[in-house]
Amino acid sequence: QSALTQPPSASGSPGQSVTISCTGTSSDVGGYSYVSWYQQHPGKAPKLMIYEVSKRASGVPDRFSGSKSGNTASLTVSGLQAEDEADYFCGSYGGSNNVVFGGGTKLTVL
Amino acid sequence: QVQLVQSGAEVKKPGASVKVSCQTSGYTFANYYMHWVRQAPGQGLEWVGLIHPTRGDTSYAQNFQDRVTMTTDTSTSTVYMELSSLRSEDTAMYYCARGGHLTVDDPWGQGTLVTVSS
Repeated sequence: QSALTQPPSASGSPGQSVTISCTGTSSDVGGYSYVSWYQQHPGKAPKLMIYEVSKRASGVPDRFSGSKSGNTASLTVSGLQAEDEADYFCGSYGGSNNVVFGGGTKLTVL
Repeated sequence: QVQLVQSGAEVKKPGASVKVSCQTSGYTFANYYMHWVRQAPGQGLEWVGLIHPTRGDTSYAQNFQDRVTMTTDTSTSTVYMELSSLRSEDTAMYYCARGGHLTVDDPWGQGTLVTVSS
């Protein structure tokens, strides 16, 4: 069982927006501004999309945005495109030199 | 460009050990931590631990404290992860990933599949 909770699936039509949540505790997501989001296409390694809650990694389109409220972080993908279909994982510093991840959300572009 | 290239797939018997390498290039080795993350088939990501490449400081996830050892070779800018007392539940893709002390960033290696089977 993963330390951070994500919905197993999310979906949207091309051009729409979709938001994926990542719920932790005050010991991880809620306690630090070190939440990251990763995109993973089938058979590929994860790729950093968002770091420090809301900063886009190099080369990441501005359609991707991150935010946090309390113990829940969110990734929003606006203007959905076919290539956005992938698994998305959140990660957070968990205190005591520890990193925790979510179980992942499969994003389907309808 | 920054590259992390991992060693090839391994098949091990229960109780054995495996050592996976991650050769780096394209950046200053000393300036970034290296994390190890694993992903069981069809599952989420699980943090294994991290190492500072030149100081050798390590931090391991509690689940792996007794079985994992991370080391580096500064002469070849290579990081190693050794996992001992393997069991079937350790079957997974193991990734190295560059990062900071508190975060797993980019890039990630291509992954090394470790299969534990009798």
